[in-house]
Amino acid sequence: GAVVSQHPSWVICKSGTSVKIECRSLDFQATTMFWYRQFPKQSLMLMATSNEGSKATYEQGVEKDKFLINHASLTLSTLTVTSAHPEDSSFYICSALRDSYEQYFGPGTRLTVT
Amino acid sequence: QKEVEQNSGPLSVPEGAIASLNCTYSDRVSQSFFWYRQYSGKSPELIMSIYSNGDKEDGRFTAQLNKASQYVSLLIRDSQPSDSATYLCALTSGAGSYQLTFGKGTKLSVIP
Repeated sequence: GAVVSQHPSWVICKSGTSVKIECRSLDFQATTMFWYRQFPKQSLMLMATSNEGSKATYEQGVEKDKFLINHASLTLSTLTVTSAHPEDSSFYICSALRDSYEQYFGPGTRLTVT
Repeated sequence: QKEVEQNSGPLSVPEGAIASLNCTYSDRVSQSFFWYRQYSGKSPELIMSIYSNGDKEDGRFTAQLNKASQYVSLLIRDSQPSDSATYLCALTSGAGSYQLTFGKGTKLSVIP
């Protein structure tokens, strides 16, 4: 199979602090990973495309200075939410592209900013 | 603007029946098609991918693609209560794009 992990699975942080979320492809290499956000009862929203060794491509309306993405290796991408605010509370999900066709999703990280 | 349309449901079927989920799309150059299952509070799980016209079967699941009609469907045979979830239709367009365009999903409820 294709397994993608995320860490942490849930995190609570105080407003103004930063949080880093890791996404790892465990049994395949992924030159491309994606980061999504999902609010309750809403559709997945693509935030950015992460390519190994290059800068991430952000979707319109997503602040690149607030959501820092680093794709440091073929199996690891990280998303750092900087200066988090309560409105950033959401379910963050990464996916990894295998064989240039199929996206496999991580289990998600539930972020609560107090 | 690429659009993927799904009936939001809920679609209710009795246990053991066939559940039929449908999806239409607007972009004729769409090349790859996927069905994801998402349980409440969980992330999506890939259950089927289909790239050419016709049927593709995997266990109790059959995906059907008709590019001329811009239509893709998912059949679930012998539906089980554990199949109760939201099913997301997704596709990628051509030109080397790997980004998925999702439908809003169809909520399936399998009644014991």
